[in-house]
Amino acid sequence: DAEITQSPRHKITETGRQVTLACHQTWNHNNMFWYRQDLGHGLRLIHYSYGVQDTNKGEVSDGYSVSRSNTEDLPLTLESAASSQTSVYFCASSESVPEGNTEAFFGQGTRLTVV
Amino acid sequence: DAKTTQPNSMESNEEEPVHLPCNHSTISGTDYIHWYRQLPSQGPEYVIHGLTSNVNNRMASLAIAEDRKSSTLILHRATLRDAAVYYCILCTDKLIFGTGTRLQVFP
Repeated sequence: DAEITQSPRHKITETGRQVTLACHQTWNHNNMFWYRQDLGHGLRLIHYSYGVQDTNKGEVSDGYSVSRSNTEDLPLTLESAASSQTSVYFCASSESVPEGNTEAFFGQGTRLTVV
Repeated sequence: DAKTTQPNSMESNEEEPVHLPCNHSTISGTDYIHWYRQLPSQGPEYVIHGLTSNVNNRMASLAIAEDRKSSTLILHRATLRDAAVYYCILCTDKLIFGTGTRLQVFP
């Protein structure tokens, strides 16, 4: 079965270190998204991509970057981790059918702690 | 992106129907109305979406007002597993989440 997987599921890192969170989907979806969710809040969009070599900034993109070199993967990089980036991160993907007329599939999340 | 307004929380008893309301008075003609839910410690899960007409699937029904300024997610018989945060989202190409409605289901 097709799926979307995130790795690692849990990570602890130190302030100032570069961290990369992986997202891999096997649906061959063009659209991929990264969100963060803080305790008691909804999800906020960090970056998204509509296809290979395409990346776009979301609501809270400062301190994060993404690159899309193939259809299956959209890694999220924290250039210099900060305590404010302690959060749960979710990756999602969807087909690029008529905009809005498709469901998105979410990964199980990566819990990142910056100490 | 157009905004939605949902109650912070709702309660239901098991096996009763649940109507979760959502207001979206600034909806545009191209916005699809999406509903997702998030169970504890899990990623969001797609529930249903629609544009103008009411929609049914195995999980729920979506009733859309004629002027499209509001919609209602209907769970026909709530189960304990339906306890989650339900998000109503207007989508043209990406999902922008609000704070959602926390649904509690009591035995």
